[in-house]
Amino acid sequence: DAGVTQSPTHLIKTRGQQVTLRCSPISGHKSVSWYQQVLGQGPQFIFQYYEKEERGRGNFPDRFSARQFPNYSSELNVNALLLGDSALYLCASFLGSGSTDTQYFGPGTRLTVL
Amino acid sequence: AQSVTQPDIHITVSEGASLELRCNYSYGATPYLFWYVQSPGQGLQLLLKYFSGDTLVQGIKGFEAEFKRSQSSFNLRKPSVHWSDAAEYFCAVGSPGGYQKVTFGTGTKLQVIP
Repeated sequence: DAGVTQSPTHLIKTRGQQVTLRCSPISGHKSVSWYQQVLGQGPQFIFQYYEKEERGRGNFPDRFSARQFPNYSSELNVNALLLGDSALYLCASFLGSGSTDTQYFGPGTRLTVL
Repeated sequence: AQSVTQPDIHITVSEGASLELRCNYSYGATPYLFWYVQSPGQGLQLLLKYFSGDTLVQGIKGFEAEFKRSQSSFNLRKPSVHWSDAAEYFCAVGSPGGYQKVTFGTGTKLQVIP
């Protein structure tokens, strides 16, 4: 079975631009969560979606948004990019909606903002 | 607010030697505790988790961790390290509910020398 896939692998943008990152969960998984991992730090929670509904939001500005589609894939959008948005963006999928479910992480999208 | 401290940024061990990675958490009630591993260019992989019950938890790849409430610790151990264990290790603390309630530490980078 395929694991969690993310696209693109790498991305370079300039300040003020907008970016869309994509995530396909493991087949059968209904939850997707998004994390930002800045170099030298642990992942920081951004969003969780379950059955196409937002179930949790981390401490990120409104420039960050996400959605989940009927096939459970997900997109993370970031508007008005800042240099500080440069990071590895990780997507994870899991079966249910609670934190007792094991999350399976994708390899991430490396975003560089110049 | 909950928090996680991983006091060791970088650890070097010889192949075949034992390993202990330290994790201290701050949380008011009984926490959910996790250890993840991240290899270069990879997403995170769950090694083990603790929710309740037996305080000694067995995980994958020969790892184990012990929850010590009196010390607010959840240290990760392995009796004999293999070169393939070289990676970054993250401890995380959470609570019932979704993953918005999980906080990651800053990680410990493990180097294994022959």
